[in-house]
Amino acid sequence: AQSVAQPEDQVNVAEGNPLTVKCTYSVSGNPYLFWYVQYPNRGLQFLLKYITGDNLVKGSYGFEAEFNKSQTSFHLKKPSALVSDSALYFCAAATGGGNKLTFGTGTQLKVEL
Amino acid sequence: EAQVTQNPRYLITVTGKKLTVTCSQNMNHEYMSWYRQDPGLGLRQIYYSMNVEVTDKGDVPEGYKVSRKEKRNFPLILESPSPNQTSLYFCASGKNQPQHFGDGTRLSIL
Repeated sequence: AQSVAQPEDQVNVAEGNPLTVKCTYSVSGNPYLFWYVQYPNRGLQFLLKYITGDNLVKGSYGFEAEFNKSQTSFHLKKPSALVSDSALYFCAAATGGGNKLTFGTGTQLKVEL
Repeated sequence: EAQVTQNPRYLITVTGKKLTVTCSQNMNHEYMSWYRQDPGLGLRQIYYSMNVEVTDKGDVPEGYKVSRKEKRNFPLILESPSPNQTSLYFCASGKNQPQHFGDGTRLSIL
């Protein structure tokens, strides 16, 4: 069975500092990996995905994620955090065609002035 | 505007009373799926559909039904709702994976 772990329930970072939200996965076969963001009272918004190719994936709003096969990780990063980045972030993984997704439990990102 | 529309947004109902949550997308996507979100558990996939008349179970399909008679619509049916189905539900669509989500339906089953 596939699983996704987001080891931090909350991450706090000062505005302007780099941010990292961690994700590790366990799937059989080649993984499809995703990051989504959820703002209060809204659905999830797609940020980026890795299917194959370059290990560094660039996405929306200046976010990027690095696929590390040996560590089975797919951490989300941004060089300079904004207060408006404060939200709930979900990592997800799948195999095969990528249509049966397993989500992590989410990480609350708080960016402070 | 690209949209996934869910209705209703909020519903309080009683155990055993059949209900349907509708989901419609205007992007001509083949893939649609349903999730429930519960505190501490993240999102769990209920059902997904790769195209018209093609549906498959996710991780938590028990107590739910879906149908995909048209490409744009993917309703979620609770034939006999129970209190453990109280949750926040999301519909999503995309080319092969979920990329666009609805704003959610909060269901309370008393």
